[in-house]
Amino acid sequence: AQKITQTQPGMFVQEKEAVTLDCTYDTSDPSYGLFWYKQPSSGEMIFLIYQGSYDQQNATEGRYSLNFQKARKSANLVISASQLGDSAMYFCAMREGRNTDKLIFGTGTRLQVFP
Amino acid sequence: GAVVSQHPSRVICKSGTSVKIECRSLDFQATTMFWYRQFPKKSLMLMATSNEGSKATYEQGVEKDKFLINHASLTLSTLTVTSAHPEDSSFYICSGRDSLGNTIYFGEGSWLTVV
Repeated sequence: AQKITQTQPGMFVQEKEAVTLDCTYDTSDPSYGLFWYKQPSSGEMIFLIYQGSYDQQNATEGRYSLNFQKARKSANLVISASQLGDSAMYFCAMREGRNTDKLIFGTGTRLQVFP
Repeated sequence: GAVVSQHPSRVICKSGTSVKIECRSLDFQATTMFWYRQFPKKSLMLMATSNEGSKATYEQGVEKDKFLINHASLTLSTLTVTSAHPEDSSFYICSGRDSLGNTIYFGEGSWLTVV
């Protein structure tokens, strides 16, 4: 079974609008961490936001926020006020367990922001 | 924030030769680093865990004699693709975590083309 599922292969959003990128995960470990990364065409993986399984509040980093719904096992990324430079691939990833930094990645969502 | 630097960013080599990719943590010490591989338009797949001062741990299906990993210091891990073949052409990227935080940072990645 997929550990990390990103069901949206591609998304379009107009500049200045908000967009939500979906991510669901599957784990039986009570301790885990969820990450979102942005990958532009250059290939680098840019860290955006992190949510720990025990964090009480949803993580926010500037225009990025994570809609963490633990019971649903979802960790959707919300990008507010989209910019043209936000066009890229976005990957959701999970660190499963307390003592590892291995990441399991979803298949990614390609976001295109249009004027 | 923590920075991971990877070199070279692009390399072309002939079939049968070996190529070394370096991954450095610039402002933190990493006892563990990770090497991933990404095929075009695909997600990242973990290849191996690089352990400082000891042998790397390889994921199932990854040939340890082909992908040699050395982690001789707390700030440098290297991946050597030995006897490279065209099917080894891929994007290779490393990651590491600053032990003081939760963020896992990635290098810029290395595009390998074997001709």
